[in-house]
Amino acid sequence: QKEVEQNSGPLSVPEGAIASLNCTYSDRGSQSFFWYRQYSGKSPELIMFIYSNGDKEDGRFTAQLNKASQYVSLLIRDSQPSDSATYLCAGYGGSQGNLIFGKGTKLSVKP
Amino acid sequence: DAGVIQSPRHEVTEMGQEVTLRCKPISGHNSLFWYRQTMMRGLELLIYFNNNVPIDDSGMPEDRFSAKMPNASFSTLKIQPSEPRDSAVYFCASRGTDLAQYFGPGTRLTVL
Repeated sequence: QKEVEQNSGPLSVPEGAIASLNCTYSDRGSQSFFWYRQYSGKSPELIMFIYSNGDKEDGRFTAQLNKASQYVSLLIRDSQPSDSATYLCAGYGGSQGNLIFGKGTKLSVKP
Repeated sequence: DAGVIQSPRHEVTEMGQEVTLRCKPISGHNSLFWYRQTMMRGLELLIYFNNNVPIDDSGMPEDRFSAKMPNASFSTLKIQPSEPRDSAVYFCASRGTDLAQYFGPGTRLTVL
């Protein structure tokens, strides 16, 4: 059973701090990973994807992928109250055509 | 560009009734996914289509659920008969060549 694991949280950080969200996956064949943000009552919204080992930066967001450790993370710099949401990590299996989603980490940014 | 469109946004029905959820994917996307989300189980894949053909329906809970994609711009998810445990938010998502899935706004289904 291919799985993506996330700490459900809640993760609470003060405004302006760095929020670190982590994800592990079981399928060594997984090649590409996605981070989605979901506000309460809304649909998941794609914020980043990463295919290669290392870091990928987009504004205040940095995704990190370590295939040897089967580990994906998302860093949010200068966290804002508007970043408070549930963050879903997802990865494609080797031959699967569908994304495997983690259960999500709830982030709360306190003013 | 228009995103994924779903209708209705909210549906309240009584147990035993037929429910039909509709989805229009992003134009040019050739894969479509139906998900169900609940607090207890999170986001679950029900079925997905590539080029209008069902590829994996192993997530469909039981025979009461069926899905069709008659053409590249329309898909339906039908529940007949509906039960209270089917109450959830149902999302449709489509995927293009960038491998990312883009979600519609969802349909919140309540079965009384």
